[in-house]
Amino acid sequence: DARVTQTPRHKVTEMGQEVTMRCQPILGHNTVFWYRQTMMQGLELLAYFRNRAPLDDSGMPKDRFSAEMPDATLATLKIQPSEPRDSAVYFCASGRGTDNSPLHFGNGTRLTVT
Amino acid sequence: AQRVTQPEKLLSVFKGAPVELKCNYSYSGSPELFWYVQYSRQRLQLLLRHISRESIKGFTADLNKGETSFHLKKPFAQEEDSAMYYCALTRGNEKLTFGTGTRLTIIP
Repeated sequence: DARVTQTPRHKVTEMGQEVTMRCQPILGHNTVFWYRQTMMQGLELLAYFRNRAPLDDSGMPKDRFSAEMPDATLATLKIQPSEPRDSAVYFCASGRGTDNSPLHFGNGTRLTVT
Repeated sequence: AQRVTQPEKLLSVFKGAPVELKCNYSYSGSPELFWYVQYSRQRLQLLLRHISRESIKGFTADLNKGETSFHLKKPFAQEEDSAMYYCALTRGNEKLTFGTGTRLTIIP
C-alpha cells in the first residue's frame, strides 16, 4: 500500500531557527501539495506543485517560507526564521494529476516553535 | 473565490442516533465536493465524493446546488465514527479548498 511519507513526525524548535520538513510523494504521482492545519483555520493550502513546477504558492508567507521539489521523490518546505505562530501540523499530499483523483496525505509534521 | 463553511467545530452525538455534519460552499461554477476524515493518530483520508454517489461506512452526502450544501449524514452513529471531518471543494483539478473541520464525538 503506497503512502506519502513525511519527516520528521514532530519538531520542536526555538524561535528564529530554520525548520525543514520533507515529503516523499507516492511513486508515479505528479502533483504535490503542502497544507497547514490549525484549530482556527483548519487546512490551508500553502503550495502546489505539478511535475515539480510550482503552480500556486499564494497561501504561503513569502518572506519566511519556501517550498521546493529538488526531484520527483522529494518535496521540501522550509521556514526561516521560524516564529511561534508557525506552530501547526504541516501535511503533504500527492496525487495523480487527473480530474477528481483523490489526494493521498502523509501523517504530517507537528511543528512547535517556542 | 471558492469557500467552504463548516459551521460546527464540535459535534457530539449519542451512539445509535442520526448524524449530520453540515457543509456549505460558495463557488460560481460547478464544483466537485468531497468529505475527508481524520481518525485519531491517522492521516487524512478520503471518505466520499459527490460524483460517486456512494455510501461509505454508512455515510452519504448529497450535493444540493440550490442550497449550496453538501451535508454528511449517517442514520445510526457508531463509536468508531469519532473523528475530525473536513468538507472540501475543487474546481475540477486536484487543488482542494477545505473547511475548518468538525470534530465528531460519539457518546457511548
